[in-house]
Amino acid sequence: SQTIHQWPATLVQPVGSPLSLECTVEGTSNPNLYWYRQAAGRGLQLLFYSVGIGQISSEVPQNLSASRPQDRQFILSSKKLLLSDSGFYLCALRWGDEQYFGPGTRLTVT
Amino acid sequence: SQKIEQNSEALNIQEGKTATLTCNYTNYSPAYLQWYRQDPGRGPVFLLLIRENEKEKRKERLKVTFDTTLKQSLFHITASQPADSATYLCALGGPNDMRFGAGTRLTVKP
Repeated sequence: SQTIHQWPATLVQPVGSPLSLECTVEGTSNPNLYWYRQAAGRGLQLLFYSVGIGQISSEVPQNLSASRPQDRQFILSSKKLLLSDSGFYLCALRWGDEQYFGPGTRLTVT
Repeated sequence: SQKIEQNSEALNIQEGKTATLTCNYTNYSPAYLQWYRQDPGRGPVFLLLIRENEKEKRKERLKVTFDTTLKQSLFHITASQPADSATYLCALGGPNDMRFGAGTRLTVKP
């Protein structure tokens, strides 16, 4: 079965600092991978998805970027964090028609 | 623009009653619709999928209906229990991505 790892679990960063969140998956190859953000009390916002190595689709203009350097690795980055980047970041993979989510990273920008 | 609306932010019901949650969408023709459960601080967990050519699907105490004419799905939990308390998200599926509603927070009181 598939397993999704995300780290770190929690992160507190000052405004203007860089960000790197990592997602790795096990138990599958060539998955569709997704980054979502969930702000407090809000729904899931799709940020990026990737159908393969080096292939990234961006959904929302923002100061975040994503990369997929390896088949089972998906990275979310920012050069300079904003207060509005605070939220719960979830990595997900698609298996058939279902999505499986990782444990998430709680990011607080101060 | 595409919209997914879950009508109630919160729903409180008594144990043993049936909980009914609503998901409406506009400007979308999904191939399928899904329901997920999310507990606080965790990623969503897949519950049920219903395709556009299906009217109803059941799984244990869960029942989902899908009306593509009304552009609406209803999610029912029968004989509800306090352990069913969580946020429930509907999601619409496309070829590569999946879009989520903001969710309905269900509280089942003993």
